[in-house]
Amino acid sequence: EAGVAQSPRYKIIEKRQSVAFWCNPISGHATLYWYQQILGQGPKLLIQFQNNGVVDDSQLPKDRFSAERLKGVDSTLKIQPAKLEDSAVYLCASSLGTSGNPYEQYFGPGTRLTVT
Amino acid sequence: GENVEQHPSTLSVQEGDSAVIKCTYSDSASNYFPWYKQELGKGPQLIIDIRSNVGEKKDQRIAVTLNKTAKHFSLHITETQPEDSAVYFCAATTYNQGGKLIFGQGTELSVKP
Repeated sequence: EAGVAQSPRYKIIEKRQSVAFWCNPISGHATLYWYQQILGQGPKLLIQFQNNGVVDDSQLPKDRFSAERLKGVDSTLKIQPAKLEDSAVYLCASSLGTSGNPYEQYFGPGTRLTVT
Repeated sequence: GENVEQHPSTLSVQEGDSAVIKCTYSDSASNYFPWYKQELGKGPQLIIDIRSNVGEKKDQRIAVTLNKTAKHFSLHITETQPEDSAVYFCAATTYNQGGKLIFGQGTELSVKP
């Protein structure tokens, strides 16, 4: 079974530029999460999708961050314009959201963003 | 909302010794407590989890204990090996309310051969 795929793995941009990250969850996983992990901290949820609907975006800085999950599969997370404090690893995770252990989250390798 | 505190932030042990990492949570409604291992350059990987109706769970060299009254849970690794070296995160969530995980700050475990 293929894992969660993310691209790019690394990105360096200047402040005020825009950037986009892509995530392909495990096939059949209804729930998709985007987390921000600042160096030395635990992941913090930015947004959670159930199929193509948003379940929780309470910690997403909506003035600069946006995310979409078209057709309930792939997802993109965008930052525009980027700030220095956005430097972090952006992790995508997915879970079944149904039976068994619906909340076991499978994480991708992350995208390391550096804003200069 | 939920808040999870994790200690220690770093832990160094000799190979073969045991390692213990502790977490406390604030929301008494939380009922699912997973532990993740994160190796350098990789995403977190679930290693063990426990639900609030269970006090202890074991999986080979790894065990987790939960004290609901005190609102704390711990990860125990016995007979540590160099490949156990990584950052470990505890997390908490309310199982039937969306699965939003609140993570602790992480513990960097170093196992010296």
